[in-house]
Amino acid sequence: GENVEQHPSTLSVQEGDSAVIKCTYSDSASNYFPWYKQELGKRPQLIIDIRSNVGEKKDQRIAVTLNKTAKHFSLHITETQPEDSAVYFCAASKTTGNQFYFGTGTSLTVIP
Amino acid sequence: DTAVSQTPKYLVTQMGNDKSIKCEQNLGHDTMYWYKQDSKKFLKIMFSYNNKELIINETVPNRFSPKSPDKAHLNLHINSLELGDSAVYFCASSQGSKSPLHFGNGTRLTVT
Repeated sequence: GENVEQHPSTLSVQEGDSAVIKCTYSDSASNYFPWYKQELGKRPQLIIDIRSNVGEKKDQRIAVTLNKTAKHFSLHITETQPEDSAVYFCAASKTTGNQFYFGTGTSLTVIP
Repeated sequence: DTAVSQTPKYLVTQMGNDKSIKCEQNLGHDTMYWYKQDSKKFLKIMFSYNNKELIINETVPNRFSPKSPDKAHLNLHINSLELGDSAVYFCASSQGSKSPLHFGNGTRLTVT
């Protein structure tokens, strides 16, 4: 099955700085990579996703990059704000199998 | 208008009991899932199910069983509860594995 690794497990940044979270996956058939944000006591919510036919996608302060050859993808948050503090999860899935495999999560703290 | 709703929100029970968690989605999605989130925040796939196929994570004990009366519902039955079953259980749905997962608000299960 798929194995998704995520780093770092914790990340602290000053408000206004950038944050980068990296994930690697093992199954070359994986072709869809969503990112989720989970605030304390709440459900994970999609913040951005990317498909394997695209190398980069941006939505305001959030961007995701994908390197299919190296089997890794990254989340970039610019101009961080205290409300960005949460646990972030990467995930990978493929067309067959109906399974989403999650990374182990990154606890991001933005220091005001 | 909650897209994925699960009940109860909290469930406290004793070891050895049998319990169920209900999940319903009104998004018209064809696939539903159960995830377990442990104290370290890891999100582990337990089951995925559409009308044709049930995929079970091989690490899930057979005390856990999904029941789907129709496409919009996927309930989780747990027999002979153990202390290690304490966790937050999330139901989710998607339109296949190349579309985002939509999570319910979670059920916090505490086994005493």
